[in-house]
Amino acid sequence: GQSLEQPSEVTAVEGAIVQINCTYQTSGFYGLSWYQQHDGGAPTFLSYNALDGLEETGRFSSFLSRSDSYGYLLLQELQMKDSASYFCAVPSGSARQLTFGSGTQLTVLP
Amino acid sequence: NAGVTQTPKFQVLKTGQSMTLQCAQDMNHEYMSWYRQDPGMGLRLIHYSVGAGITDQGEVPNGYNVSRSTTEDFPLRLLSAAPSQTSVYFCASSVQGARSYEQYFGPGTRLTVT
Repeated sequence: GQSLEQPSEVTAVEGAIVQINCTYQTSGFYGLSWYQQHDGGAPTFLSYNALDGLEETGRFSSFLSRSDSYGYLLLQELQMKDSASYFCAVPSGSARQLTFGSGTQLTVLP
Repeated sequence: NAGVTQTPKFQVLKTGQSMTLQCAQDMNHEYMSWYRQDPGMGLRLIHYSVGAGITDQGEVPNGYNVSRSTTEDFPLRLLSAAPSQTSVYFCASSVQGARSYEQYFGPGTRLTVT
């Protein structure tokens, strides 16, 4: 089966940089996805890494090291609106169905 | 496009009652799935479908049934509700295959079973 580990909570101040880590164990690795979920809302897709290295999308970047079974989401220039839960997820199986980590609650302080 | 829609938004059931959670998408996505999310936890896959007429079980399928008669609709049926099924239910869809990592989620149904 698949398992993903990520910290349950992270706190940072507005304007800072924060890194949310994710380690995974999976058979048949395809890549690592990241999703954001605000309280009471639906998860929304942020990024996907299939290959090693850093992918940048605006203030958010995502990194993958396949040899270390490790990835992270980097949020720069934090804003209050970035306060949310962040989930890593891996596709697996014949239909590449997603398995999610338990999520990291990010709190951005003024 | 409306994207992924779910009804109802909220529902309260008594133990033993049955009901159907509705999910529809207008993006012509082949892949659809149902997740449940319990407090402080990630999303757990209940059932999924790779196309009309094809469904399969996810991580936590017990107590739930699904069918997929059209590309657009993927209802989830609770056969005999139990308090352990109190949760938030999300439906999602995506392009099938290599892009299934990018799923589009509906707004969720918040279900309470008393």
